[in-house]
Amino acid sequence: DSGVTQTPKHLITATGQRVTLRCSPRSGDLSVYWYQQSLDQGLQFLIQYYNGEERAKGNILERFSAQQFPDLHSELNLSSLELGDSALYFCASSGPGTAVGEQFFGPGTRLTVL
Amino acid sequence: GEDVEQSLFLSVREGDSSVINCTYTDSSSTYLYWYKQEPGAGLQLLTYIFSNMDMKQDQRLTVLLNKKDKHLSLRIADTQTGDSAIYFCAEGGGSYIPTFGRGTSLIVHP
Repeated sequence: DSGVTQTPKHLITATGQRVTLRCSPRSGDLSVYWYQQSLDQGLQFLIQYYNGEERAKGNILERFSAQQFPDLHSELNLSSLELGDSALYFCASSGPGTAVGEQFFGPGTRLTVL
Repeated sequence: GEDVEQSLFLSVREGDSSVINCTYTDSSSTYLYWYKQEPGAGLQLLTYIFSNMDMKQDQRLTVLLNKKDKHLSLRIADTQTGDSAIYFCAEGGGSYIPTFGRGTSLIVHP
C-alpha cells in the first residue's frame, strides 16, 4: 500500500460526458502528479501540483483540468469525453524525505468511455 | 522518437536470471529509476541509481548504468513467478519529473 488513494476505482461513462477523478496523496506529501496510461501511448505525464499551485504541465489536453485543494487532495476533471480517453489514470505523490523524482503511485482509476 | 525506450516483452524460466534493458536520451539525467507494476496496481519504485554510479545491487536486483551509451539495465537473479509484472525504466531530468518508458512485461514460466 503506497498510501495514495484514488476514487473511484472504475468509471464507465458515455462520449461527451464529464467526470471527476479524485486523489489523496500520502500524508505529508505536497506534490501530486497525474498520469494517463493507455496501451498505445504508454504512461503519459499530465500535470503536477505542488501545495495547491500548478508546477508542471505535460501532455494534458485542453478538455482536461486539475486542481489541488488546501487539504492537498487533488481532482482531475475530464470533459467532452471521447472514446480515446479510455485509459488508466494514475495519481502519484511525493514529498520531503523521498529521493528526487521518487513518486508513490495510487492504484489508479480505470475510465471506460462508451 | 521516445525519450526512454525499452523492449515490450521478456519471457524467462523460473530460477533463471532476467535482464531488462533500457536506453534514454537525456544526458543531463540525474537519476535513473526502475518501477514495477503488478496487475491491477500502480507503479512502485523498485530501485534507482545516481547518474554518477555504474552499478547498484540490492538483494536479487542489480542495476547497471552505462552513461556513455545512455543504457540502463535491471538484472533479477533467481527470477520467481512473483516477479511477473511490468517493469518501467524512467529517467529524471532537470524538472525532476521522471520520463517513463513504455514498460517491459516480464513473464516468468514455472
